[in-house]
Amino acid sequence: TQLLEQSPQFLSIQEGENLTVYCNSSSVFSSLQWYRQEPGEGPVLLVTVVTGGEVKKLKRLTFQFGDARKDSSLHITAAQPGDTGLYLCAGANNAGNMLTFGGGTRLMVKP
Amino acid sequence: DTAVSQTPKYLVTQMGNDKSIKCEQNLGHDTMYWYKQDSKKFLKIMFSYNNKELIINETVPNRFSPKSPDKAHLNLHINSLELGDSAVYFCASSQAGTNYEQYFGPGTRLTVT
Repeated sequence: TQLLEQSPQFLSIQEGENLTVYCNSSSVFSSLQWYRQEPGEGPVLLVTVVTGGEVKKLKRLTFQFGDARKDSSLHITAAQPGDTGLYLCAGANNAGNMLTFGGGTRLMVKP
Repeated sequence: DTAVSQTPKYLVTQMGNDKSIKCEQNLGHDTMYWYKQDSKKFLKIMFSYNNKELIINETVPNRFSPKSPDKAHLNLHINSLELGDSAVYFCASSQAGTNYEQYFGPGTRLTVT
């Protein structure tokens, strides 16, 4: 079973601060995805990283895939209240068509 | 247009009952999934299904059975509901060759009393 551990589980910060969320595993993934989920809704895909060492930027969000494709990070610059939500990382295995999700990071950005 | 839709949004029922949740996707995707999200927000896959193959998660009780009348629909039937089945159930779809990027429905909150 492939496991993904996210840290921190909870994060409460002030508007304008920077933060980083980590997603770690002992397993190698063919790709890794980040989702954001808001209360009462389903997760929404933010980005997919495929190549070891890959960095993708989405406005103030920067995503990085580890060189060995076992870990990933999400960095948010100058967080805003609209960034509040549950952030989930998910790894795709090589064998099948399934994703393994991390436990999630609940982010609250206070104005 | 809604990409992935689920009905009902909320479902409250008593232990021992049988219930179904319906899911439809209009994205033309070839694979659909059911996930369970518990009270701690942990999202766990239950099933993935495409035209050719049903992949069953071994930890899912056989009281849960997916049914796919066609490529765009994947329903979830649950027999003999138990208190521990209370959770939010999400349907999702993806297309082969896209790194299994998931498009999720809005979820069905199931409460078993």
